[in-house]
Amino acid sequence: QVTLKESGPGMLQPSKTLSLTCSFSGFSLSTSGMVVSWIRQPSGKSLEWLAAIDWDGDKYYNPSLKSRLTVSKDTSNTQVFLKITSVDIADTATYYCARRLEGDYFDYWGQGVMVTVSS
Amino acid sequence: EIVLTQSPTTMAASPGEKVTLTCRASSSVSYMHWYQQRSGTSPKLWIYETSKLASGVPNRFSGSGSGTSYSLTINSMETEDAATYYCQQGSSYPDTFGAGTKLELK
Repeated sequence: QVTLKESGPGMLQPSKTLSLTCSFSGFSLSTSGMVVSWIRQPSGKSLEWLAAIDWDGDKYYNPSLKSRLTVSKDTSNTQVFLKITSVDIADTATYYCARRLEGDYFDYWGQGVMVTVSS
Repeated sequence: EIVLTQSPTTMAASPGEKVTLTCRASSSVSYMHWYQQRSGTSPKLWIYETSKLASGVPNRFSGSGSGTSYSLTINSMETEDAATYYCQQGSSYPDTFGAGTKLELK
């Protein structure tokens, strides 16, 4: 059974660094073809793909946010992390992690973690 | 990046009515994928690789299209189908999503 779960600070101040964790089970990120992605959704709006890391450790970023994003994984291949630097109000959103296979779609999603940027 | 334009933005359908949602890409893509999102929940994979139903999706749903034009069809609207549907392409980096179509029950 594949599950993913995001965790994060809930609220943080503008200009700070947002750190998110995606903990997953039911698959290993060391398996060829596996990718874990981060996607966010401001309230009432659509989905925005942010970043991904694959089984081989290759990293991918949305060009529009690339300078502020860092994705990484742990050595046990059961957690993926995302850092977003210099957050502002526009980064307020629900952040999801999702598994992406070679078929380029997201087949399993976490429940999401809501992050509010506010002073 | 490839921009996906969904139409309509919002629509209402009566039980039993046939529903068609469309997604147009700014450039040709190999496949289109669709997600269903109910209020307060995470998106669920609904249709993948244009026409394949995800596990548990009723067969009143279907998907079709090619190139820059794709659609999701519900053969006969049911109450549980009221949700927002998003299209997504992964053929071209970066992955992008449409703005969504909110489908309501009339």
